[in-house]
Amino acid sequence: DADVTQTPRNRITKTGKRIMLECSQTKGHDRMYWYRQDPGLGLRLIYYSFDVKDINKGEISDGYSVSRQAQAKFSLSLESAIPNQTALYFCATSDQDREQYFGPGTRLTVT
Amino acid sequence: AQSVTQLGSHVSVSEGALVLLRCNYSSSVPPYLFWYVQYPNQGLQLLLKYTSAATLVKGINDFEAEFKKSETSFHLTKPSAHMSDAAEYFCAVSGPRGGYSTLTFGKGTMLLVSP
Repeated sequence: DADVTQTPRNRITKTGKRIMLECSQTKGHDRMYWYRQDPGLGLRLIYYSFDVKDINKGEISDGYSVSRQAQAKFSLSLESAIPNQTALYFCATSDQDREQYFGPGTRLTVT
Repeated sequence: AQSVTQLGSHVSVSEGALVLLRCNYSSSVPPYLFWYVQYPNQGLQLLLKYTSAATLVKGINDFEAEFKKSETSFHLTKPSAHMSDAAEYFCAVSGPRGGYSTLTFGKGTMLLVSP
């Protein structure tokens, strides 16, 4: 079984809809992250959490929110989706070594 | 704040040729540096990392990278390219963000390997 799982893997939604992307990990790491990937822009950090009670904004948090339900679960929400949020979204985890382990990604299309 | 520059959005090589992917970084503290690879329709996989031990770092699939502080570089090399190396490669630097340490990624370099 994969160490970091993301659901759904693909999602098409309409402008204005609320959508949640979920991430679960079995690595026992305290730190979790959400990134978005756009062609030619690399990965950009949306939010990160260093433990259950700790949530921090990344470089592009506007239009997104997160919830850390447990050590193993970290969800990303788009309260009112817009087309420029169409992207590939990755969840990642890490321990003190700073190496991050990535999930398989969620491809989100907002029409 | 830390940043990463990857020179060349696309690099093309022939099978068997040397692979060289360039990465330059800036960091206000001694950095940890990483190279990740992304195969089509997959997540990112760690190739290798520099964490202030040996400056020449060996990774998976015969990739290696050399940390050069004077040049603020961490270029990725492989002596002989295989068709299976075709993928997108990301360099990343770990550095402080508001008292925490997070990764900042470069924009990626797509490696194309021709027969």
